[in-house]
Amino acid sequence: DQQVKQNSPSLSVQEGRISILNCDYTNSMFDYFLWYKKYPAEGPTFLISISSIKDKNEDGRFTVFLNKSAKHLSLHIVPSQPGDSAVYFCAASEASGTYKYIFGTGTRLKVLA
Amino acid sequence: EPEVTQTPSHQVTQMGQEVILRCVPISNHLYFYWYRQILGQKVEFLVSFYNNEISEKSEIFDDQFSVERPDGSNFTLKIRSTKLEDSAMYFCASSGDRGVGANVLTFGAGSRLTVL
Repeated sequence: DQQVKQNSPSLSVQEGRISILNCDYTNSMFDYFLWYKKYPAEGPTFLISISSIKDKNEDGRFTVFLNKSAKHLSLHIVPSQPGDSAVYFCAASEASGTYKYIFGTGTRLKVLA
Repeated sequence: EPEVTQTPSHQVTQMGQEVILRCVPISNHLYFYWYRQILGQKVEFLVSFYNNEISEKSEIFDDQFSVERPDGSNFTLKIRSTKLEDSAMYFCASSGDRGVGANVLTFGAGSRLTVL
């Protein structure tokens, strides 16, 4: 039951360039989407969110784009920095009740100096 | 910055033993969650808790699991009789009231459970 998929298990990007991480989902009832960053032996750290009423949300170097018709979202990091190297998870939830987020499998980003 | 704290950071137990994982959510948060991540796999939802009762639970959260908020600050996950496949990193999370950050979960650093 893979409602949220991150098809690229890993991504390498040069420092200063753009990193684009992708996420696809199947449940059209999802209303909220979050991106988390995770370092080994630590909990996921919240990065940025977007609700289904928007198609873009920006916070500093991080921008999330949502394409509802394609059930696709992406996280852009510009410019990428070595400290951005981590595993990135997208997560999606319906708006009803508590926020039961379904996580993707993650993409390991490596930013090369 | 407010944080979610979890103890212990690592617990090793024998199969069949009971385990309690503890969490102190952010103080003004009202929604509480447990997630787990088996090594190499994705983060999976276990249970959500609001107003002193379970709101939702996944298929993983069977009768061997229970949650409790015993004293208004701690939020615990109990596994009654651990199995080898319960070995995982367990993450506690909390979020604020509806309309004010309710949709953003803040996670703790996790408790690694190893069942031998």
